Amino acid sequence: EVQVVQSGVEVKKPGESLKISCTASGYSFTDHWIAWVRQKPGEGLEWMGNIYPGDSDTRYSPSFQGQVTISADKSITTAYLQWSSLKASDSAIYFCARVEGNGSGFYYLNYWGQGTLVTVSS
Amino acid sequence: ETVMAQSPSTLSVSPGERAALSCRASRSVGIYLAWYQQKPGQAPRLLIYGASTRATGIPARFSGSGSGTEFTLTITSLQSEDFAVYYCQQYDTWPRTFGQGTNVEIK
Repeated sequence: EVQVVQSGVEVKKPGESLKISCTASGYSFTDHWIAWVRQKPGEGLEWMGNIYPGDSDTRYSPSFQGQVTISADKSITTAYLQWSSLKASDSAIYFCARVEGNGSGFYYLNYWGQGTLVTVSS
Repeated sequence: ETVMAQSPSTLSVSPGERAALSCRASRSVGIYLAWYQQKPGQAPRLLIYGASTRATGIPARFSGSGSGTEFTLTITSLQSEDFAVYYCQQYDTWPRTFGQGTNVEIK
């Protein structure tokens, strides 16, 4: 059974750094892209970027390029999303999800984590 | 960026009735279109991919149609568990983009 489990709630101050995690199991971790999706309170979904754990190939949506870093450690089947300096506007729920595709393609999201709530407030 | 526009923003439907949700792309995405359902406090769930293929375990009352720039998600005979927000997402171009969502509420 495919499972995707994310780290817990985070409360941070502006300017602090943060790294949240996404641990997958039940399939070959290196064979599927993992994506990160942001959902601000009361708003829709935004695809931030994705990583292929097999070779760490990473793609960022233009809106998020330079704002976050996506990484993965295939030895522990875990992907990460990190910030070096948080802003209040980063407050949101962050979902990770396994991406369905073929070969190097990454298409839609089939197995989702439960979400990580990040609150940034002074 | 391919902009996805969903309509209506809110759809009020009585249980047992049919709902038709629209998704329009700013440029052709072929059939590279997925639909998701999200309930409050939960992660989204994949319903449809390839514009019309139901994901594993999705009931037959959910169907998708369309190609190019115009797509429809139809839910026949709405059940209580179907009241939720529905999102479309294109995967033809980068970046991948979602519509703003349609909230299907009880009438």
